[in-house]
Amino acid sequence: DIQMTQSPSSLSASVGDRVTITCRASQGISNYLAWYQQKAGKVPKLLIYAASTLQSGVPSRFSGGESGTDFTLTISSLQPEDVGTYYCQKYNTAPWTFGQGTKVEIK
Amino acid sequence: EVQLVESGGGLIQPGGSLRLSCAASGFTVSSTYMSWVRQAPGKGLEWVSVLYGGGTTYYADSVKGRFTISRDNSENTLYLQMNNLRVEDTAMYHCVRSYGSGSYRAGDVWGQGTTVTVSS
Repeated sequence: DIQMTQSPSSLSASVGDRVTITCRASQGISNYLAWYQQKAGKVPKLLIYAASTLQSGVPSRFSGGESGTDFTLTISSLQPEDVGTYYCQKYNTAPWTFGQGTKVEIK
Repeated sequence: EVQLVESGGGLIQPGGSLRLSCAASGFTVSSTYMSWVRQAPGKGLEWVSVLYGGGTTYYADSVKGRFTISRDNSENTLYLQMNNLRVEDTAMYHCVRSYGSGSYRAGDVWGQGTTVTVSS
């Protein structure tokens, strides 16, 4: 099975900072990669699909990138409401594995 | 409005069985990909199973042979039959719609979840 390695596991940044989270696939998955945001006590929310397509209603400060088997989620200017845990998920073939998650906090 | 509502969770002893239900509204479960995703307390998301619109099913290795995903088209409801439950199956279980084709089929709608606790 293809493994998804997400890093870092946590980060602390200041409001306004640019933040980048990385997800690496152990094999090629084309662009079958999504990013989700989960706030404390809430249901996960889809942010990005097809590696770089912004889900409707998601602020434009979120963006997704792809380089081979490396995928990135970037928050261009971190806001207080962005606190939460972020997960990548690959869904080209089963299993549709999630990354381990990245907890984002405000410094 | 597109909505998913899970039910059927509860406290069950190891070795027992439960059937989770996920009632869908605003769309047809048979026309898209439907998954179950679970989250153990304080842990990350774990993909459990998927049912394709065409009927193909897949399972995580951790539940293969014990869990069965299915749907009732007339009731527009997704199910997860869980047998031989283990303590490590304790989690919140969410059903998830993945709408679209190809790489557009990410999980765009999530239910609030139903809690399964396996304990003696």
